[in-house]
Amino acid sequence: NAGVTQTPKFQVLKTGQSMTLQCAQDMNHEYMSWYRQDPGMGLRLIHYSVGAGITDQGEVPNGYNVSRSTTEDFPLRLLSAAPSQTSVYFCASSYSGFGYGYTFGSGTRLTVV
Amino acid sequence: GQQVMQIPQYQHVQEGEDFTTYCNSSTTLSNIQWYKQRPGGHPVFLIQLVKSGEVKKQKRLTFQFGEAKKNSSLHITATQTTDVGTYFCKGGGSNYKLTFGKGTLLTVNP
Repeated sequence: NAGVTQTPKFQVLKTGQSMTLQCAQDMNHEYMSWYRQDPGMGLRLIHYSVGAGITDQGEVPNGYNVSRSTTEDFPLRLLSAAPSQTSVYFCASSYSGFGYGYTFGSGTRLTVV
Repeated sequence: GQQVMQIPQYQHVQEGEDFTTYCNSSTTLSNIQWYKQRPGGHPVFLIQLVKSGEVKKQKRLTFQFGEAKKNSSLHITATQTTDVGTYFCKGGGSNYKLTFGKGTLLTVNP
């Protein structure tokens, strides 16, 4: 059981570039989510999904897109990277969004220059 | 998203001292979860509390859920250097957007 796998672990982008952060889980979890973590700001929810084909915005969705075509995968797309998107990104999954603990991936450290 | 407030933001202790972090919500929660994140690592789920007044223990860690289900605490007895990290709470309810607290960073002086 790999749990939640995030790739890449590190990435440097230039302003305006686009990229996709990958997240895959092998636990058959229905709920998946993306968080960004910045110093002093805690974990802020970007987007989440309660199942294949269903996504919704979180607290800080601007500049990010998601889709969920399979139960296993939940990629996060940065459309046009900005320095304000420099952060550590975590993907998390759960059996359902309610009443079950989240399993986090090991994170992607993104720097936008 | 609905916020849970967590205090203190930082706590530095001498090894062997006790430590407590508190989580407060303005609304009634269905449950509360606690996570630990080691420096440079990712959050790891510790426990979930569901019942009013519930108390659970994991070795030196004691978790409590308030009677009104609006607050919770995590208490560590006799801290060790392995306890270093950031402890987060997360409120649970019928809203998928319920947020994590901002965390309490615990440092331990050996």
